[in-house]
Amino acid sequence: DAKTTQPTSMDCAEGRAANLPCNHSTISGNEYVYWYRQIHSQGPQYIIHGLKNNETNEMASLIITEDRKSSTLILPHATLRDTAVYYCIVRVMDSSYKLIFGSGTRLLVRP
Amino acid sequence: DAGVTQSPTHLIKTRGQQVTLRCSPKSGHDTVSWYQQALGQGPQFIFQYYEEEERQRGNFPDRFSGHQFPNYSSELNVNALLLGDSALYLCASSLTGPGNTIYFGEGSWLTVV
Repeated sequence: DAKTTQPTSMDCAEGRAANLPCNHSTISGNEYVYWYRQIHSQGPQYIIHGLKNNETNEMASLIITEDRKSSTLILPHATLRDTAVYYCIVRVMDSSYKLIFGSGTRLLVRP
Repeated sequence: DAGVTQSPTHLIKTRGQQVTLRCSPKSGHDTVSWYQQALGQGPQFIFQYYEEEERQRGNFPDRFSGHQFPNYSSELNVNALLLGDSALYLCASSLTGPGNTIYFGEGSWLTVV
């Protein structure tokens, strides 16, 4: 079973920041938080991952709370093309390569 | 640099038939995993191949089998197709080693009628 809890759906206005929350209260010390998104009928796209420090790349920022029990993915200036299902995944960084997906958050960016 | 490529993109099969789906990993990647995604659900892990051997398997019956070739490409085979096997089948690749990012292909849509 997925170890994360996400809201089923969210929406935001185009050009505004989209903040997607994720709860992972049972996360272990050797587990990372990964974010993928899936645009309709396409394969999941890697966005970002982190362990305990905040991370930023060209796509998004990841804010992880100090106790690591929750995190927020931030899309700083959402566009219509960011409409997708966003998956928050906790992944053990060992030889296990499988990702356990939950139901994700369906983000709708409004014009 | 080509990403993960899969073929075919769409196919329709009849119950009881067999299907083979193909995957070429991202350049430099040596590990391939397969996922099944039913409509409206998140992807479910089927199995993973490394060095031409199945290294890890999810909760799928033996009707689902795979193969990895020396060039790291992979096939997913499903025998005795059921209506419930209708789904998007995703291939994912990575470089072996802890922490390496996993990249997905666009998937193969299988419809069983």
